[in-house]
This record gives sequence, C-alpha cells and structure tokens, in this order.
Amino acid sequence: GAGVSQSPSNKVTEKGKDVELRCDPISGHTALYWYRQSLGQGLEFLIYFQGNSAPDKSGLPSDRFSAERTGGSVSTLTIQRTQQEDSAVYLCASSLWVRQPQHFGDGTRLSIL
Amino acid sequence: GENVEQHPSTLSVQEGDSAVIKCTYSDSASNYFPWYKQELGKRPQLIIDIRSNVGEKKDQRIAVTLNKTAKHFSLHITETQPEDSAVYFCAASKGGQNFVFGPGTRLSVLP
Repeated sequence: GAGVSQSPSNKVTEKGKDVELRCDPISGHTALYWYRQSLGQGLEFLIYFQGNSAPDKSGLPSDRFSAERTGGSVSTLTIQRTQQEDSAVYLCASSLWVRQPQHFGDGTRLSIL
Repeated sequence: GENVEQHPSTLSVQEGDSAVIKCTYSDSASNYFPWYKQELGKRPQLIIDIRSNVGEKKDQRIAVTLNKTAKHFSLHITETQPEDSAVYFCAASKGGQNFVFGPGTRLSVLP
C-alpha cells in the first residue's frame, strides 16, 4: 500500500477484555515498530521487528502485552486483560531497513472503560 | 539504556523568527537521530534526520546539527510560519533498533 495502515482506528472495550491491534507496513519494509502514546505525551517504544530476527521486546510494559509479525509483513499487537492505564494511541511504524526513516500509521486509539 | 532529554517543552515565536529545539542523549553508541513533527491528532512525520558521521544537515528552512562529543543535537527552523506550529519530537537510535524519543516540544508560531 501507499503507507502504513492500522486497524481499527478506534477501539473501546471494557476492562479485562483482550484486544488485538493490526498493522500493515509499507510493502518491502523490513523493520516494524510499535509505540504507545498517551495523551499529550511522547512516544514510548514497545517492540521492534527486523526481518526474520528475534524481536526486541524490551519495551513491552508487562506480560499482558505481546506482538507477532507473520511472514515478515503484517503485525498484530495483543493486549490481554486490559487495564484502564492501557488507554492510549498505539502507533505502528515501518522502515525500509535499519537506520532508515520510519513511516508512521495513523494509530489506533484504545479506550478502556 | 539510552535516555533522551528535550528542551524547551514549549516554545512560542513570532512568525518569521527562528526556533531552536535541543536534545541531549546519554548513549555514545547512538548513531541515528531523526526529528518528527506531529500536528494535533495526526501521525508523526519525519522532517529531517542525521547520522553520526555528519555534523550538520539542511533542508530548506530546516537544519539539524549534531555534536557527538557533547552528545547533543538541535533542530533549527528559520523564517517560521504558522503551519510550523506542532509538537516536535527528537529521537536517538543505535543501529536503527530501539528508538528512544524525547518528550516533545510544543511550538507555537504567532502571526
């Protein structure tokens, strides 16, 4: 596609439910990143995928968070047993290779009631 | 791990004046430093980046300078316009992996 696509654009769910957020990177981009941005705050790194290498999960805030990237393309971020503090905009970005400019998607705005 | 500080947190300038935002980083191994502009409710967009083998890079009204010894890099915007108003984020990365972002600077360009 022309850019990074994320779905859904908005997600409202009850505390305790699981959610899945999807990211379609730009075709051919080998690197994919997930970030979290709380209202009025900066970007918090969550996880990084590069090609077929093991992902860098060092930014995941708890074991309720997990992500996978199938076939080196689409990625899914899963949050289990959601808590109110998980409410934020979750941004995905991809880049052609390491140390190349990242292109961001529009994000998924997650609201936990 | 890497820590990125960014100053100022807010900046107001008159249209036509210059704006400077400074970031410092802690990990001397960081070698890639992008700057992003984020308008309200929009996605961050890359405006300029610099690699550690370069001291300065310029693109029209925007320039970035890097001082590896002091571990700081700065964004310079000249002849500011109202459409430059946004939140600007710096970031540092080692090998393009874990990007650490600064907390952001809210720039307001007053007409």
